Amino acid sequence: ETGVTQTPRHLVMGMTNKKSLKCEQHLGHNAMYWYKQSAKKPLELMFVYNFKEQTENNSVPSRFSPECPNSSHLFLHLHTLQPEDSALYLCASSQEGSSYNSPLHFGNGTRLTVT
Amino acid sequence: DQQVKQNSPSLSVQEGRISILNCDYTNSMFDYFLWYKKYPAEGPTFLISISSIKDKNEDGRFTVFLNKSAKHLSLHIVPSQPGDSAVYFCAASVSSSGTYKYIFGTGTRLKVLA
Repeated sequence: ETGVTQTPRHLVMGMTNKKSLKCEQHLGHNAMYWYKQSAKKPLELMFVYNFKEQTENNSVPSRFSPECPNSSHLFLHLHTLQPEDSALYLCASSQEGSSYNSPLHFGNGTRLTVT
Repeated sequence: DQQVKQNSPSLSVQEGRISILNCDYTNSMFDYFLWYKKYPAEGPTFLISISSIKDKNEDGRFTVFLNKSAKHLSLHIVPSQPGDSAVYFCAASVSSSGTYKYIFGTGTRLKVLA
């Protein structure tokens, strides 16, 4: 399997539930990202992990909790979400270097609905 | 404050003609610019990029132009094909603490009419 894989593709959860989104990249990249896409808004960067270390937390509420156990896997743990958190959550990876940058490679996303 | 702007939410073009998608940015520290294409129910896929040291990059039917003084870039697709119908996102990146941050525009929906 190649590229960036996200599971599940669709998720419906209540506000009191706890769920996790999973992302796996098979590209040998060293950086992984979580983005949120809401209707009529630009993709919003949530978290960045570089060599498994979190290097960016873009003022994301604590009800979203990322986990990066290794450079190929990234999770987003969700708890006590709000209906306005309903969105498409996209995982991406890239190869970061000191003198170059590479394009982001995205997964197909998880469509999250909070009821 | 939106640092990357795509002011046209939609564009319709006849098959075979040129499609021009525009993007403006405000941060002069951006040094790498990208275009992504997104079909429904799929993630964005990388299309073409340009470094800030260049003003043009071409790949087949796709050409990206960068005008640094105007803080403007554009994507030209010629000839346009029905399969090009998708949402196109412009993105810009800047290095922050050794990590590159990618900032995206809101997208332009392109419809190529057969």
